[in-house]
Amino acid sequence: QVQVQESGPGLVKPSQTLSLTCTVSGGSISSGDYYWSWIRQPPGKGLEWIGYIYYSGSTYDNPSLKSRVTISVDRSKNQFSLKLSSVTAADTAVYYCARGDYPYAFDIWGQGTMVTVSS
Amino acid sequence: EIVLTQSPGTLSLSPGERATLSCRASQSVSSSYLAWYQQKPGQAPGLLIYGASSRATGIPDRFSGSGSGTDFTLTISRLEPEDFAVYYCQQYGSSPWTFGQGTKVEIK
Repeated sequence: QVQVQESGPGLVKPSQTLSLTCTVSGGSISSGDYYWSWIRQPPGKGLEWIGYIYYSGSTYDNPSLKSRVTISVDRSKNQFSLKLSSVTAADTAVYYCARGDYPYAFDIWGQGTMVTVSS
Repeated sequence: EIVLTQSPGTLSLSPGERATLSCRASQSVSSSYLAWYQQKPGQAPGLLIYGASSRATGIPDRFSGSGSGTDFTLTISRLEPEDFAVYYCQQYGSSPWTFGQGTKVEIK
């Protein structure tokens, strides 16, 4: 049973870089045709897809985030990571990692981690 | 970018009633790659429906999805107390993948 779990600081200062890690357990991040993704949800609002890293290592991020996103993978640790640069209060949200698959969409989600951007 | 518009914003119903939720896309969704998720307070979303009409593992058959192209529907045939939640549609046929703004199903 594959599971994913987010980790990282809960507080980031404005203009700094938000860094989160997602640990995959119960299966290899390198096996299967999966899109390892980040999604966020500001307090009281809806869901926004941030981007993914494909099992092959290619990445795609949401153009709405204006190239502030870097997603990478550490296969030795079975983890993938998110870096979001130049954060503002608008980046305050619960950040989820999830497994994307065709045709199954986002079938596995982490519990989410709250990140607050504040000085 | 495909914009998904969900309606209504809030649906007030009683247990046992039928719920019909709509998701309309600004462009045709490729290969019916449209999913529905349920989210309860303080929890991550959970997958209900993928490919517009296929139920995810363990999802009861009172949940059904239909539609193609730009118009999709999630139907809950008889609401159980645990079904009162927020529901999101999501398209994953074209990048960037996008979500609708959500429909809240609340107890009347």
